[in-house]
Amino acid sequence: GQNIDQPTEMTATEGAIVQINCTYQTSGFNGLFWYQQHAGEAPTFLSYNVLDGLEEKGRFSSFLSRSKGYSYLLLKELQMKDSASYLCAVRDSNYQLIWGAGTKLIIKP
Amino acid sequence: TAGITQAPTSQILAAGRSMTLRCTQDMRHNAMYWYRQDLGLGLRLIHYSNTAGTTGKGEVPDGYSVSRANTDDFPLTLASAVPSQTSVYFCASSDSGEAEQFFGPGTRLTVL
Repeated sequence: GQNIDQPTEMTATEGAIVQINCTYQTSGFNGLFWYQQHAGEAPTFLSYNVLDGLEEKGRFSSFLSRSKGYSYLLLKELQMKDSASYLCAVRDSNYQLIWGAGTKLIIKP
Repeated sequence: TAGITQAPTSQILAAGRSMTLRCTQDMRHNAMYWYRQDLGLGLRLIHYSNTAGTTGKGEVPDGYSVSRANTDDFPLTLASAVPSQTSVYFCASSDSGEAEQFFGPGTRLTVL
């Protein structure tokens, strides 16, 4: 079967750095996505990795290791508005997205 | 630009009744998707369409049907609603099957 694992919930302090991990087992791999979802809202695209390594976009970075079936999302200089759920999704061999259940990130002052 | 719109925003439906959830995008994207999101579970794909005139089944298609008569619209129909279809439904679109997906605001459906 196909499986995406992420921690259910994480807590971090405003101004700090947090790393959200995602491990996956899918039938094929055609890229990994990270989305942000605020409570009661739609998911919004954050980052995309298809090759191994780090992709940096402002305060957010995403890392991929295909051999390990592993990715992480790194958030720096945390702000209160970063409190949200972060969804990891893998595009499989059929080019469909398989989604993790999401990691709820709580930011404390 | 509106992006993707969904209607209604929320709905309470009696079991056994039918309902159509509407989705319209103005980005001229080829691909469109319907997902349901339930607490503790990831988004699950119900149906998708890679281009106007074609549709395909996702992970959880039973009890749902879709049509794609044109590029902009992708309605989702529940023929006879059951309580297990209580969920938040998101419509999404992408320029192609390889691009990132853009999501509508969602429809919260409660089936009693």
